[in-house]
Formats: sequence, C-alpha cells, structure tokens
Amino acid sequence: NAGVTQTPKFRVLKTGQSMTLLCAQDMNHEYMYWYRQDPGMGLRLIHYSVGEGTTAKGEVPDGYNVSRLKKQNFLLGLESAAPSQTSVYFCASKSLEGHSYNEQFFGPGTRLTVL
Amino acid sequence: AQSVTQLDSQVPVFEEAPVELRCNYSSSVSVYLFWYVQYPNQGLQLLLKYLSGSTLVKGINGFEAEFNKSQTSFHLRKPSVHISDTAEYFCAVFGGFKTIFGAGTRLFVKA
Repeated sequence: NAGVTQTPKFRVLKTGQSMTLLCAQDMNHEYMYWYRQDPGMGLRLIHYSVGEGTTAKGEVPDGYNVSRLKKQNFLLGLESAAPSQTSVYFCASKSLEGHSYNEQFFGPGTRLTVL
Repeated sequence: AQSVTQLDSQVPVFEEAPVELRCNYSSSVSVYLFWYVQYPNQGLQLLLKYLSGSTLVKGINGFEAEFNKSQTSFHLRKPSVHISDTAEYFCAVFGGFKTIFGAGTRLFVKA
C-alpha cells in the first residue's frame, strides 16, 4: 500500500496563476482533509470531505476550492494564487470503520511558493 | 469549542536526557487526544493516542503521555532521547467531529 500520496511535491507559482494539488489514498478511507502548515501556526484545516461527492469548508477555506469525484482522490484548487498562499499543504485521510476518532494518515506534503 | 495549546515552541535537550513536551487542551465535549510526530520534510505520523481507560498511554519509539483530566493536560514524555527524535511534535484533540492541532513543539536533540 502506498498510503496517502500527493502530487506535486514542490511548485512555484506567480501571483494570479492557478493550479491543482492532487491527493490520492489507497486505504478506502471515507474522510479526506486538506491542511496548510505555516510556521508557528500548526496545521489549519482548509476543506474536508466525508465521502465521494461531498465537501465542506474548514477553518481557512477562502481562496481554495476542492472536489472529490472519486473516493480515493481529493483535489485542492487555487484559482488565482496569492503570496499569502505560500505554505506547505498536507492531505490526510481517515477511516470511519469502528470509530469516528480514528487517527488520520498524512501524505508527505506539497511545498508551494507564490511569487 | 475545542482548543489545544502547546506550551513550548522549541525544546533543546541533550542526547540521553529526559524530555517533556507540554500540551493543554480545552473542550466542552468528551475528547480524544493524540500526539503526532513530523520528521523533517515528511508528513505527520501518529505517535500515540488516548481514547479512554488508563491515563498513561504508551506509544512508538519509547514515548508515553499522561492524560490529566483535572488539569486538562496531555504531556508527552520520553526518559532518554536520541538524536533521531529530533522532529516537530503536534498535540491534537478530536471532539465534535473535528480534529484541532496545536502549533507544534520543535524538539532539538543535541549530541
């Protein structure tokens, strides 16, 4: 099992450009999450999904959109990148089997720089 | 609403010394508590978790944590650290369908 994978690992954008980050998991997990990690601020939830075809806003959703067309994939889109979106982005997934408080499994991260 | 406070942003310690990373939480509902570790340039991985039962929880790599309900704390400890323990550690609380992460504590282990 590959677990949670993220594409790309690094990206540099110019202000105003758009891009899509891809997250894929092969564990058949129902829940998927997108976080951003900034120094001194821990992880902040951008959007999440409780199942195929569903998405919901997290703590810092502005400037991002998401889609979950397939259970194993969760896409994060930036329509018009801004320097404030320079960050490390992590995807995570969680199984609901057994308990809702199961641990989350994280991908390796995408380091995004917006110039 | 839940919140998590990690009381130290950085903790330097010498190899083979004991270490404690402090975490306080607040919640109006039953909580489940986690510690995750992030090694350089990697994602987070679970170190240990408290769901119920014994308040002393043992995790991987010799780490343990103690849940203290009266002090709303969940401090992480290791009796003797190694260079390889250098990483960032995140305390997290799950309750009411959300997981809230603390800001992280960077542990530096020096030779």
